[in-house]
Amino acid sequence: DAGVIQSPRHEVTEMGQEVTLRCKPISGHNSLFWYRQTMMRGLELLIYFNNNVPIDDSGMPEDRFSAKMPNASFSTLKIQPSEPRDSAVYFCASSPNDRGSHNSPLHFGNGTRLTVT
Amino acid sequence: GNSVTQMEGPVTLSEEAFLTINCTYTATGYPSLFWYVQYPGEGLQLLLKATKADDKGSNKGFEATYRKETTSFHLEKGSVQVSDSAVYFCALGKSGNQFYFGTGTSLTVIP
Repeated sequence: DAGVIQSPRHEVTEMGQEVTLRCKPISGHNSLFWYRQTMMRGLELLIYFNNNVPIDDSGMPEDRFSAKMPNASFSTLKIQPSEPRDSAVYFCASSPNDRGSHNSPLHFGNGTRLTVT
Repeated sequence: GNSVTQMEGPVTLSEEAFLTINCTYTATGYPSLFWYVQYPGEGLQLLLKATKADDKGSNKGFEATYRKETTSFHLEKGSVQVSDSAVYFCALGKSGNQFYFGTGTSLTVIP
C-alpha cells in the first residue's frame, strides 16, 4: 500500500501564476478530499469527491480555485491566478467510505507546501 | 451542529511523564471518533479510533475511550517519549463522509 501520493511536495510560484497540485488516492478508495492547512485557520476542507463526483465544494474559497477528478486514481487542485494569501500546505486524503458510512478514517498524503510570492 | 473541541497547546512534558489531551465533541446521531498525529513536514496519520460508545481505541501506548455520557474522547499515554513530539488532532466522523477536526494540540517531550 503506497498510501496517498501528492505532488509536488513543494511549490514556489509568483503571484498571478497558475498552480496545479496533484493527488493519487489509495487504490480502491472511493472518496477523496482536499484540505488546506494554515497556522491561522487550521485544517479546512476545500472539496470532497465520491466516486469521482464532486459532492461538497462549499469550502472552495473562490472561483480562482477548481478541482477535478477525471478518474478514480487521480485528482487535481488548480489555483488560477494564485495570490500570496493562498500560501499554505494542501493535503489530499482518501477513504473507502461511501456516502452513507463514516467508520473508516481518512488517509492523508504528505501534502504540498505552496508558497506564493 | 457537529464540532470538536480539544485542549489548547502547546503542551511540554518531560520524558516518561503521563500525557492527557482532552477532547470533547458535539454531534447528532452516532459519530465515530479518531485521534490523528502529525509529525513535522508530514500529513496526518491515524493514531487510533473508536466507532461506538464505550469502545477503547489504542495504538503505540496511546489510548482513548469513547464516552457518550460526557461526550469526550480524551487521549492518554502513560509514559511519553521524545519521539511522541508532534501535533495531535481529535476528529469526528459522521455519515455522508463528514469529518470534523479539532484545532490540534502541539506536544513537545523533552529528555
